[in-house]
Amino acid sequence: QTVVTQEPSLTVSPGGTVTLTCTSSTGAVTSGYYPNWFQQKPGQAPRALIYSTSNKHSWTPARFSGSLLGGKAALTLSGVQPEDEADYYCLLYYGGGLLGVFGGGTKLTVL
Amino acid sequence: EVQLVESGGGLVKPGGSLRLSCAASGFTFSDAWMTWVRQAPGKGLEWVGRIKRKTDGETTDYAAPVKGRFTMSRDDSKNMLYLQMNSLKSDDTAVYYCTPHNGMVVWGQGTTVTVSS
Repeated sequence: QTVVTQEPSLTVSPGGTVTLTCTSSTGAVTSGYYPNWFQQKPGQAPRALIYSTSNKHSWTPARFSGSLLGGKAALTLSGVQPEDEADYYCLLYYGGGLLGVFGGGTKLTVL
Repeated sequence: EVQLVESGGGLVKPGGSLRLSCAASGFTFSDAWMTWVRQAPGKGLEWVGRIKRKTDGETTDYAAPVKGRFTMSRDDSKNMLYLQMNSLKSDDTAVYYCTPHNGMVVWGQGTTVTVSS
């Protein structure tokens, strides 16, 4: 069974920079896994941030960026704001884009 | 305004069945591949399955935990998406969301399914 792994929790200071990663049990993550990133705040539905590795939606703040880093998908927040405190999930697609698997999520604390 | 409204959740006994619905509006539903995602209480997101549009054969794919028990379907004339859930287990207890496959850019409020005796 394919497993997608994220850091369970990270802490960052306001104004700082943090990178969240997304690892696949099958090996290196490439653009062919179409990495997506989502933000979820308590009591809310998820919100899409990044699609296909590094593409932002029109509502995605400029401080969020997606990339591939050392065989992993990565989400970098630069100039973190207090409102960025949330759970972040990555989503990878397998089987030529047929099957999706979410990572376990990263709880980001801004402190 | 693009909107998705899920319904049909409730309390069901283990082994029972339930049919969830998702009403779509504000976009060309018939052109969209659609996905179901669920979230168990206090847990992360789980991809459940996806159905392609009619012109792509309405092909479905499912996550391993639900394959053979859940069936996705759609009625483009009504802009409706469905999830038929059979042989329900306690592990299926979750909030169920429908969302377009392409970027998952819109989410409804979800519908809660509780499987308990």
